[in-house]
Amino acid sequence: DARVTQTPRHKVTEMGQEVTMRCQPILGHNTVFWYRQTMMQGLELLAYFRNRAPLDDSGMPKDRFSAEMPDATLATLKIQPSEPRDSAVYFCASGFGGSTWNEQFFGPGTRLTVL
Amino acid sequence: KNEVEQSPQNLTAQEGEFITINCSYSVGISALHWLQQHPGGGIVSLFMLSSGKKKHGRLIATINIQEKHSSLHITASHPRDSAVYICAATGNQFYFGTGTSLTVIP
Repeated sequence: DARVTQTPRHKVTEMGQEVTMRCQPILGHNTVFWYRQTMMQGLELLAYFRNRAPLDDSGMPKDRFSAEMPDATLATLKIQPSEPRDSAVYFCASGFGGSTWNEQFFGPGTRLTVL
Repeated sequence: KNEVEQSPQNLTAQEGEFITINCSYSVGISALHWLQQHPGGGIVSLFMLSSGKKKHGRLIATINIQEKHSSLHITASHPRDSAVYICAATGNQFYFGTGTSLTVIP
């Protein structure tokens, strides 16, 4: 069955290292969202794309975070350099439609720990 | 002040009980969403609504646009309903509630 996949599922890294998280949206979906979840802040929207174009990345710290969609089957979220405060679960979600938020299907998340 | 407020924060119920989780928002929205996050961490989108009521199985979601309030109801609750339920409001921006942790005891 169709589902959003994310890799890696877990990542432990040291402060200062680059981290790349990948997301494969459901085939045919044209919107992709990146979220971050922490105990303190809960769920936060980092960025989202429609038809591979970035529509909003205001939730991302611009100096260290970047999000791209090289093609329709791959979305990436990079952190460089990583910091301990970036430790969180990062979710990717995909959907289809013309409005900002239609029904979304979430990936399993990438649990990032920055030491 | 949070743009989206959920209540209660925690809820424990006996199996079979009728459950209501509330969500109030203070911003203009185009849609209100209910998400379910299981203990394993996976998130499922339950409902997206902009007016009225939607029903799926034992779950019912309602929204009152004038009062800026939405409710999620679970009828005949079951231990497998134990999860965190998150309300999210979308308009010009995205706003998330802090979640309601539900535990249904057999």
